[in-house]
Amino acid sequence: AQSVTQPDIHITVSEGASLELRCNYSYGATPYLFWYVQSPGQGLQLLLKYFSGDTLVQGIKGFEAEFKRSQSSFNLRKPSVHWSDAAEYFCAVGDSGGYQKVTFGIGTKLQVIP
Amino acid sequence: SAVISQKPSRDICQRGTSLTIQCQVDSQVTMMFWYRQQPGQSLTLIATANQGSEATYESGFVIDKFPISRPNLTFSTLTVSNMSPEDSSIYLCSVTGWRGNNEQFFGPGTRLTVL
Repeated sequence: AQSVTQPDIHITVSEGASLELRCNYSYGATPYLFWYVQSPGQGLQLLLKYFSGDTLVQGIKGFEAEFKRSQSSFNLRKPSVHWSDAAEYFCAVGDSGGYQKVTFGIGTKLQVIP
Repeated sequence: SAVISQKPSRDICQRGTSLTIQCQVDSQVTMMFWYRQQPGQSLTLIATANQGSEATYESGFVIDKFPISRPNLTFSTLTVSNMSPEDSSIYLCSVTGWRGNNEQFFGPGTRLTVL
C-alpha cells in the first residue's frame, strides 16, 4: 500500500530564509507525487505535481520540488520565504494519473517569523 | 481551476442526529471523492462517489455511517449519520477529470462540530 511520511510536524523559519520541507513515500511503482498547501480556514491548493520527466518540478508561488527515486523522496523547496507562506503543507502520493485516490502525509505546519 | 462549492460551510450538531453535506462542481468531472480531516490530522479518504452506483468505501468507513450519493457528474452528497463527538472534523469533497485535467481539486470543506 502507498504511504507518505512527513518527518517534520512543525517548522519555523525567518522571512527571507530558504525553506525545505521533507517528504518520503512508499509505492511499488512509479509514483505520482503532489504537494498541497492549506492556509488557515482555506481549502487545499495544489502547489506542484510530478508524474514523469524532469525530476525537478516547478510550481506556483515560487516553490519547487525534486523527485529522487533512490531516496524515495520528494522534498519541497523555496529559496526565500514570505510571511504569506505560513500554512500547512501536505505531501501526497497518487496511484495513477491523478484520477485515482490520493494518500496524504500528516502535514508540516510552517510558521514564518519576521 | 474547478469551482467547487460545499454546503453547509460549517455546522454544529447534536449527538445522534445526521447531517448531509452537498458538493457541487461547475463542470462535469470524472471522479468525486470525500475526505475527512480530523482536528490536527491529515486527510483520510472516506470513499469514492460513483455516478449511478454505490460508493466505494475505504477500510474503516461503512455505508450505514456515511451514505453517499452521486446522481450526476457535477453533484454529490455525503451524510454523516448518528453523529458523535468523534465525527467532529472537516469534510472535503474533491474531484478529478475536470475538463480533462487530471489534477485533483478540493472544495473549501465543511467544518462539523458535534456536541
